[in-house]
Amino acid sequence: NAGVMQNPRHLVRRRGQEARLRCSPMKGHSHVYWYRQLPEEGLKFMVYLQKENIIDESGMPKERFSAEFPKEGPSILRIQQVVRGDSAAYFCASSPLRGGYRNTEAFFGQGTRLTVV
Amino acid sequence: GNSVTQMEGPVTLSEEAFLTINCTYTATGYPSLFWYVQYPGEGLQLLLKATKADDKGSNKGFEATYRKETTSFHLEKGSVQVSDSAVYFCALNYGQNFVFGPGTRLSVLP
Repeated sequence: NAGVMQNPRHLVRRRGQEARLRCSPMKGHSHVYWYRQLPEEGLKFMVYLQKENIIDESGMPKERFSAEFPKEGPSILRIQQVVRGDSAAYFCASSPLRGGYRNTEAFFGQGTRLTVV
Repeated sequence: GNSVTQMEGPVTLSEEAFLTINCTYTATGYPSLFWYVQYPGEGLQLLLKATKADDKGSNKGFEATYRKETTSFHLEKGSVQVSDSAVYFCALNYGQNFVFGPGTRLSVLP
């Protein structure tokens, strides 16, 4: 059973371009979480999705950022018109059950490191 | 709301020293508690977990006990190694999301 797969591992974009980050959860997992990590800082929650639904997007910036998790295919985090401040590592995690079940744990991908030049 | 507080780092220890990283939480109800570790350039890996009061999670010589009365889940290891150098995140799971602490960077010197 492959782990959580994120691609690309590294992404360089010029200011104003779009960045698309992909996350394939572990097999059988229907819940996906996206986090952002700035250099030397902790994890900041962005969004929690279930297949075809956004459950909690309280951590998403109001503009330029969007996320989806379609019925088929990976979850996508999309950043439009990137700025230098978007440079960070973006981590995806998946879990098999809704958060709140006692034995649920989140499995993390290796992250996508976005650099805006 | 739910939150996790960790001791601020960085923590620098000599090899074979005793390690404690404090973690306290605020939650409604009874969350599950986790410690994750992040090695340089990598994602987070689950280190250990506990799902109810007085449970002790353990892995690779690390231990943490779920203390409901003090709402704490402190991470301990009796003898650290250079290879333990990493960032450690305390986290809880209750409701619809995982909540992570800010992380504590540990450096172990030979």
